[in-house]
Amino acid sequence: GAVVSQHPSWVICKSGTSVKIECRSLDFQATTMFWYRQFPKQSLMLMATSNEGSKATYEQGVEKDKFLINHASLTLSTLTVTSAHPEDSSFYICSAKRLGGSSYNEQFFGPGTRLTVL
Amino acid sequence: AQKITQTQPGMFVQEKEAVTLDCTYDTSDQSYGLFWYKQPSSGEMIFLIYQGSYDEQNATEGRYSLNFQKARKSANLVISASQLGDSAMYFCAMREGRSYIPTFGRGTSLIVHP
Repeated sequence: GAVVSQHPSWVICKSGTSVKIECRSLDFQATTMFWYRQFPKQSLMLMATSNEGSKATYEQGVEKDKFLINHASLTLSTLTVTSAHPEDSSFYICSAKRLGGSSYNEQFFGPGTRLTVL
Repeated sequence: AQKITQTQPGMFVQEKEAVTLDCTYDTSDQSYGLFWYKQPSSGEMIFLIYQGSYDEQNATEGRYSLNFQKARKSANLVISASQLGDSAMYFCAMREGRSYIPTFGRGTSLIVHP
């Protein structure tokens, strides 16, 4: 149990286009989903926290108008990179916290999406 | 100041040997938790082990054990009987207070050779 999927697993797009990445909890409901960004050979950096039915909370330095997050249901959150540029190329990983989960280690990660902007 | 420090950018170990990956942390919270994750080349983050600050026993999960030394603020991961499939990046992470959100270290690349 506790599977999180991401779609697509990789995407290549032209500069100036928008890209949507989906994060789904497949076998549990997630009150909260998190979006991380990871540059090559670097650590995961939290971008934003999204709660179902409310606005996402963005970390300092993350442009909310560039990285649009929608958490429309308890099993789906989407990250849209608007007007993507080459510097947005990165590995984007989502994680989901299980609804009702009381354990601090009940955060499950998706497999990640590799975005390359040409 | 860095919350999580992993001083070993890369480690090599021979198959079947044990290896220790270092992690030190910095927090003023009394309640916190420490995680270790494995990230193979495919990119997925695999949860390995968790230690709460109030847990008296060191956490163990199969071949993984966490050497928790609270006074020294260290939470080293010990992998026993290394396998070739253990080759990956390993990240130490910490959550603080009531937060569920961990802060990650820079990671250690582990290579297991035959």
